[in-house]
Amino acid sequence: GNSVTQMEGPVTLSEEAFLTINCTYTATGYPSLFWYVQYPGEGLQLLLKATKADDKGSNKGFEATYRKETTSFHLEKGSVQVSDSAVYFCALSDRGNNRLAFGKGNQVVVIP
Amino acid sequence: NAGVTQTPKFRVLKTGQSMTLLCAQDMNHEYMYWYRQDPGMGLRLIHYSVGEGTTAKGEVPDGYNVSRLKKQNFLLGLESAAPSQTSVYFCASRENYGYTFGSGTRLTVV
Repeated sequence: GNSVTQMEGPVTLSEEAFLTINCTYTATGYPSLFWYVQYPGEGLQLLLKATKADDKGSNKGFEATYRKETTSFHLEKGSVQVSDSAVYFCALSDRGNNRLAFGKGNQVVVIP
Repeated sequence: NAGVTQTPKFRVLKTGQSMTLLCAQDMNHEYMYWYRQDPGMGLRLIHYSVGEGTTAKGEVPDGYNVSRLKKQNFLLGLESAAPSQTSVYFCASRENYGYTFGSGTRLTVV
């Protein structure tokens, strides 16, 4: 079945540091890949997506590239701000099963 | 545009009590979903619906029932609440690849 694996543990970094959150997936077929962000006390918001291999999704300075050969969709941002503190979820959707499968999420804390 | 609205936002139940969580969307989306979010577990799919009058089981359906009598509403029921159902519940609706999430219902079962 479909599954998403995110790196373990929270991520704490200083303002203006480089952020990487790893995401790998297992899927049958050709999934679409997503990153969602959840700010404290709120629901999930779509951050970016990629629907086919080699696509790059980008939004608000965040980027992720759909790598079919390594089954990965790592999230990166070159210079984080305190306002980027949130929980980030990687997810995939396979056309065949009509639903999103989520990774466990990573808490990101940016210190001034 | 309200998007996806969940009610209530917070609720405390005693073990064995029943309740219904309501999800309403005003985007005319066919697909709707109920997820639960637990620390360290991410979001897990409880039930979903691919259109009015349809429902299907997700990863963790036990202890929950759902109904989709109207296209815009997707109800999640707990017939006999258990402490293991303490969680944050999120509803979502979908059109193509665009999922819209509600702001969640925090449920505590004591």
